[in-house]
Amino acid sequence: GAGVSQTPSNKVTEKGKYVELRCDPISGHTALYWYRQSLGQGPEFLIYFQGTGAADDSGLPNDRFFAVRPEGSVSTLKIQRTERGDSAVYLCASSLTGSGSDTQYFGPGTRLTVL
Amino acid sequence: AQTVTQSQPEMSVQEAETVTLSCTYDTSESDYYLFWYKQPPSRQMILVIRQEAYKQQNATENRFSVNFQKAAKSFSLKISDSQLGDAAMYFCAYRSARGKLIFGQGTELSVKP
Repeated sequence: GAGVSQTPSNKVTEKGKYVELRCDPISGHTALYWYRQSLGQGPEFLIYFQGTGAADDSGLPNDRFFAVRPEGSVSTLKIQRTERGDSAVYLCASSLTGSGSDTQYFGPGTRLTVL
Repeated sequence: AQTVTQSQPEMSVQEAETVTLSCTYDTSESDYYLFWYKQPPSRQMILVIRQEAYKQQNATENRFSVNFQKAAKSFSLKISDSQLGDAAMYFCAYRSARGKLIFGQGTELSVKP
């Protein structure tokens, strides 16, 4: 079956611009996660959705970052007034439920470059 | 807060040989899960193996096995009969009963023919 997909695969933008990154989870997965991976580092948690609601948004670095999942499926990560430090690979993952025993399946990521 | 540490930024192994990647973690929780993920240059994170903390038996998946030492908070990955396709970044990760994964810094594994 289809895995987690993310679009675009690459995004180049200018400092100060607004960007949206999209994640399509595996069908039927109720839990969805966003992570950010800087060069040479492990992924860092941003936000976790259970259904339509954000169950944990403690990883969002500041109020320029926002994410939604209005119908409990597709999610969009939104970054306002982008800064060069936002450049990273943004990974999305989904799991059947939010239980710790469930495997998180990752998408290929979106590489964001802020010039 | 939970932390995960991988102290080997790079490792190298000869094809067909065995290599062990190290991981330690810190937690005060009793119920948790541990994972090893592989990330090739394509960026796709792929689950290699998982371990439930309540299980004493070490997990095994074909050529991949773990040495889980709960008291020492250690979770190493052993790759037997290494293949060229095993070359990648390997991340150790911790997960509580619910929610997010906490990753280590990664170990880059190269496999020499």
